[in-house]
Amino acid sequence: AQSVTQPDIHITVSEGASLELRCNYSYGATPYLFWYVQSPGQGLQLLLKYFSGDTLVQGIKGFEAEFKRSQSSFNLRKPSVHWSDAAEYFCAVGSSSNTGKLIFGQGTTLQVKP
Amino acid sequence: KAGVTQTPRYLIKTRGQQVTLSCSPISGHRSVSWYQQTPGQGLQFLFEYFSETQRNKGNFPGRFSGRQFSNSRSEMNVSTLELGDSALYLCASSPAGQAQETQYFGPGTRLLVL
Repeated sequence: AQSVTQPDIHITVSEGASLELRCNYSYGATPYLFWYVQSPGQGLQLLLKYFSGDTLVQGIKGFEAEFKRSQSSFNLRKPSVHWSDAAEYFCAVGSSSNTGKLIFGQGTTLQVKP
Repeated sequence: KAGVTQTPRYLIKTRGQQVTLSCSPISGHRSVSWYQQTPGQGLQFLFEYFSETQRNKGNFPGRFSGRQFSNSRSEMNVSTLELGDSALYLCASSPAGQAQETQYFGPGTRLLVL
């Protein structure tokens, strides 16, 4: 069965520091991978996605993620965090055999210290 | 294009009542997926509708149902509400519900069951 694990429930970084949020997935075939961000009281906004091609993908707001098949990982990175990045981040996987369905990780809450 | 809209944004109901939530997808999108978000269970897939047909379903009891209209607008209904149904209900739309497509999320309807 497909699953997504985000090992870190809560992360605190200082403004200007680099960030890496971890995501591991379990899926037999090539996964369709997504990172979404959710601010308090809001819906989810797509940061980036991967389903083929270059394993380093660029997203909005200066985020990037690298797909590593050997490690079943799709970690999200940002070189310099801004206070406005404080939010909850979700990794998700989709499948061609499960239309319209995303399986989400439990989420990582990012706190940014001034 | 206008984004995904959900109405109402907030609802308070009592146990045993039923509730109907509405979702209007992005113009041209024919797939609508529904998710339940709770602190304990995270984001869980409820069902997906495409061309007025339920095409995929998650592991929720039959009290949770939905439908889609010819203009792709969707409603979900929860009957005989339980305290545990208190959650943020999110809908998302995509052109055809394919795995590589981005799902665009609405702001959600927050349901409180007393």
